[in-house]
Amino acid sequence: GGIITQTPKFLIGQEGQKLTLKCQQNFNHDTMYWYRQDSGKGLRLIYYSITENDLQKGDLSEGYDASREKKSSFSLTVTSAQKNEMAVFLCASSSPDWASAETLYFGSGTRLTVL
Amino acid sequence: AQKVTQTQTSISVMEKTTVTMDCVYETQDSSYFLFWYKQTASGEIVFLIRQDSYKKENATVGHYSLNFQKPKSSIGLIITATQIEDSAVYFCAMREGHNTDKVVFGTGTRLQVLP
Repeated sequence: GGIITQTPKFLIGQEGQKLTLKCQQNFNHDTMYWYRQDSGKGLRLIYYSITENDLQKGDLSEGYDASREKKSSFSLTVTSAQKNEMAVFLCASSSPDWASAETLYFGSGTRLTVL
Repeated sequence: AQKVTQTQTSISVMEKTTVTMDCVYETQDSSYFLFWYKQTASGEIVFLIRQDSYKKENATVGHYSLNFQKPKSSIGLIITATQIEDSAVYFCAMREGHNTDKVVFGTGTRLQVLP
């Protein structure tokens, strides 16, 4: 088994501030994802990465940067925090074998509050 | 572009009954994968069940089963003999084909199972 660790669990920032969220996985998975979940809403894909140093934009990438310097870690930067960005950010990873029954494994999330 | 739509925001059912949650999807790809995930009150997201587009048989795992209607681009989740602990938010998700790891989610359906 493995685990996805997201840090910090809670992040409070000021409007306009640059904020970084981190994610580590020990599954040895190739692909990692960042999703944003607004209160009572679905998961929207921000960025994903299929391997070290690869970045693929999702549907919500504007206002965010991502970095995958190691296979095990994937970080997300909010380039200029806005008050309407208060949400939970979820990191996930997936097995390289899409034939396997289970697909995405999720971390417990980082809750962002912008003051 | 791929898209997943869940129109049911919230459903309430009595314990031990059967519930169906709807999901329709859009894709240009002839090969794709469909998934259902469950988010519990604690925020944890877990994989439940998946349907590969080329398979004609509906997937079944425990008391979860799928109603895959390919001509209607529909993948319903059926939960039989519902239990209180099935109360959660259920997300439908899709990954297109074999050349992308992009996974998009619907907005979710909140299920409340009443005693």
